[in-house]
Amino acid sequence: EAGVAQSPRYKIIEKRQSVAFWCNPISGHATLYWYQQILGQGPKLLIQFQNNGVVDDSQLPKDRFSAERLKGVDSTLKIQPAKLEDSAVYLCASSLNPGANVLTFGAGSRLTVL
Amino acid sequence: GESVGLHLPTLSVQEGDNSIINCAYSNSASDYFIWYKQESGKGPQFIIDIRSNMDKRQGQRVTVLLNKTVKHLSLQIAATQPGDSAVYFCAENPGGGGFKTIFGAGTRLFVKA
Repeated sequence: EAGVAQSPRYKIIEKRQSVAFWCNPISGHATLYWYQQILGQGPKLLIQFQNNGVVDDSQLPKDRFSAERLKGVDSTLKIQPAKLEDSAVYLCASSLNPGANVLTFGAGSRLTVL
Repeated sequence: GESVGLHLPTLSVQEGDNSIINCAYSNSASDYFIWYKQESGKGPQFIIDIRSNMDKRQGQRVTVLLNKTVKHLSLQIAATQPGDSAVYFCAENPGGGGFKTIFGAGTRLFVKA
């Protein structure tokens, strides 16, 4: 089966600019996650969707980060305006349902904020 | 608060030797644990999991041990190969129905030829 697709793979922007990342999960996976992975650290959950509804966004910096999954399939994560500390890899993952527990990750989108 | 940590940030082993990667967790209510492997430029990849009602689970060349008394998890890799070089993360599901997966900081495994 096809894996989790993410784009772009790399993005360089200046602080205060905006950026958007796209994710296409594995077909049939109802649950979609966005994680932020800062260099040298483990992934940190930003937001979790079940179909097109938000399950958990408690760690999403809502003043600058937003995410949507309008049709319950693809998802977009946006940062506006970006800060230097947002430099990280943004990982998208999916699972069949919340109880499946095993996440399948995409390759990630590496963001550098100058 | 909830946290998952690792004892050693870097581990170097000789090819063919066994590797042991350790992890401590703090949430005694966690009911499910997973080990992920992350190679450079890739997302984490599932290796093996274990539920809290078990203390050992074996896969192909990998074994996970869970000691709930001291809240410790370990990943054993038998006959370590160069392809095992990666960062290994333990992750926990803290239970409570939220199905949240919390990752530790990771251990980088170097395999010397």
